[in-house]
Amino acid sequence: EIVLTQSPDFQSVTPKEKVTITCRASQSIGSSLHWYQQKPDQSPKLLMKYASQSFSGVPSRFNGSGSGTDFTLTINSLEAEDAATYYCHQSNSLPYTFGQGTKLEIK
Amino acid sequence: EVHLLESGGRLVQPGGSLRLSCAASGFTFSNCAMNWVRQAPGKGLEWVSSITAGGGRTYHADSVRGRFTISRDNSRNTLYLQMDSLRAEDTAVYYCAKEAYLGSGFFDSWGQGTLVTVSS
Repeated sequence: EIVLTQSPDFQSVTPKEKVTITCRASQSIGSSLHWYQQKPDQSPKLLMKYASQSFSGVPSRFNGSGSGTDFTLTINSLEAEDAATYYCHQSNSLPYTFGQGTKLEIK
Repeated sequence: EVHLLESGGRLVQPGGSLRLSCAASGFTFSNCAMNWVRQAPGKGLEWVSSITAGGGRTYHADSVRGRFTISRDNSRNTLYLQMDSLRAEDTAVYYCAKEAYLGSGFFDSWGQGTLVTVSS
């Protein structure tokens, strides 16, 4: 099973700040890494597919990068509506696995 | 617009059974692989099961293999999860999730979830 480890677990940030969330895989997964945003009491929503491809309708301030074992989700100029928990997810091999999540709090 | 609506979640005793359903609309259901993903209270996401578009192949997480069975009825545009021998650790919100396209492995639409509580 491929283990995904996200950092940090929690971050308190101010609006307009730049945020970087990392996801490290226990073995190489190529670019089969995807990011989801989950707001409180909502279901997850796809943000980024294949490490760096934005999903339809996602604001341009969200960017993804990486390949192999190290991946990054960057949020440029954070907005209040970005308060959520972010999860990475690998589809390189079954069982599909998710990172433990990174909760962003807006100050 | 894609719409996924789960149902069937409720309080059940340990050792009991439950069948979850997910009614799909807004896309060609029979062309898409489907998945169940769960989230225990206050915890992260855990993939549970996948089924191919035609239903011919299924996959389950080790934590549920032998107890849960994913299936689908393409004539009814409905996904199912039969859950047997339920345990307290199965308590979670269960989401159905649509795979974006063949072989993609990522989920572009999710339902709102249905809560399963396993407790005596």
